[in-house]
Amino acid sequence: AQSVAQPEDQVNVAEGNPLTVKCTYSVSGNPYLFWYVQYPNRGLQFLLKYITGDNLVKGSYGFEAEFNKSQTSFHLKKPSALVSDSALYFCAVRPGTGFQKLVFGTGTRLLVSP
Amino acid sequence: DVKVTQSSRYLVKRTGEKVFLECVQDMDHENMFWYRQDPGLGLRLIYFSYDVKMKEKGDIPEGYSVSREKKERFSLILESASTNQTSMYLCASSLSGPSGANVLTFGAGSRLTVL
Repeated sequence: AQSVAQPEDQVNVAEGNPLTVKCTYSVSGNPYLFWYVQYPNRGLQFLLKYITGDNLVKGSYGFEAEFNKSQTSFHLKKPSALVSDSALYFCAVRPGTGFQKLVFGTGTRLLVSP
Repeated sequence: DVKVTQSSRYLVKRTGEKVFLECVQDMDHENMFWYRQDPGLGLRLIYFSYDVKMKEKGDIPEGYSVSREKKERFSLILESASTNQTSMYLCASSLSGPSGANVLTFGAGSRLTVL
C-alpha cells in the first residue's frame, strides 16, 4: 500500500528566504505525486503534480517541487517566501496505474514571518 | 468558475442524531470523494464513487454511508452520530479516465461537532 510522510509538523521561515517543505513516499511502481495547499477555513487547492518527465515541476504561486526517485522524495520549494504563503501543505501520492485512491500526508504548517 | 459546493459549513449535532452532509459539483466529474481531516492525521478517505449509484469504501468507512443518485451530488450520511465523528469533512471530485493523474477539486469543507 502507498504511503506519504511529511516529517515536519511546522516549518518557519522569514519572508524573502527560500523555503522547503519535505515529503517522502512509498508506492508500488511509478508514482503520481501531488502538492495541495489549504488556507485557513478553506478547502484544499491544487498546487502542482508530477506524472512523468522533468524531475523539476513548476506550479502555482511560484512553487516548484523536485522529484527524486532514488530518495523517494518530492520536496516542495519556493525561492523567496511570502507572508501570504503561510498555510497548511499536503503531499499526496497514488500509483501510476489503475484506479487507486490518493493517499495524503499528515500536512506541514508553513509560517512565514515578516 | 468550477465548484464543489458543500451545503453546510458548520454543523452542531447531538450524539445519536442522523446527519446528512451534501456535496454538489458543477464540473460533470465522474469521481467524487469524501475525506475527513483531523489534526495530525491529515486527510483520510471515507468513501468514493466513480459513477452514479456506485460507491467504494475508503480507509475509514465505519459509521458512515453514502448516496449518489445523480452524477453531480454525493451525500455522506452518519446514521447515528458519535463524538468521535467530530471533524472537518471535505468533499472532492475529479475526472475519470485511464490515468490517475487527474486533479481533485475540493469543496470548502463542513466542520461537524457532535456533542
